Amino acid sequence: DAGVTQSPTHLIKTRGQHVTLRCSPISGHKSVSWYQQVLGQGPQFIFQYYEKEERGRGNFPDRFSARQFPNYSSELNVNALLLGDSALYLCASSLGGQHNEKLFFGSGTQLSVL
Amino acid sequence: GESVGLHLPTLSVQEGDNSIINCAYSNSASDYFIWYKQESGKGPQFIIDIRSNMDKRQGQRVTVLLNKTVKHLSLQIAATQPGDSAVYFCAEVNQAGTALIFGKGTTLSVSS
Repeated sequence: DAGVTQSPTHLIKTRGQHVTLRCSPISGHKSVSWYQQVLGQGPQFIFQYYEKEERGRGNFPDRFSARQFPNYSSELNVNALLLGDSALYLCASSLGGQHNEKLFFGSGTQLSVL
Repeated sequence: GESVGLHLPTLSVQEGDNSIINCAYSNSASDYFIWYKQESGKGPQFIIDIRSNMDKRQGQRVTVLLNKTVKHLSLQIAATQPGDSAVYFCAEVNQAGTALIFGKGTTLSVSS
């Protein structure tokens, strides 16, 4: 079975541009979460979606937005990119989005903002 | 506030030794904890989890211990192998129950 898949794997953008990252959850999983991981630190929560509804949001500016589609895949959008947005963006999926469920992560999208 | 931290940023062991990675958490109401392993260029990989109604849980070569009195979590790896070299994160569920809060991680280096 395929795990969580993310695309693209690497991306280079310049300041002020916009970026869209994509994620497909494990088959049967209805919840998708997004995390940002800056080099040398642990992942930081951005969003959680379940059944197309936003269930949780981390401490990130409004430049960050996301959505979940009927097939449970998800997109993360970041507008007006800043140098500090350079990071590994991780998508994770879980069965029903309950707080004591295992989260399974993809390999991430490495975003570099120049 | 909510935070999860690890006691040591790096740990170096010899192949075959047992490894112990420690983690302190701050939210006494947390009821679910997970250990993840992250290798270079990959996403975090689930190792083992534990709920707050348990003190110990064992998996294949790994054991997680939870001490709620001092808010401490540890991961024990038996007979450590070079393939265990990675960054290890503990994580707890946030108060809203919507996200995991990760610590900064411990880098485990195994030499043969």
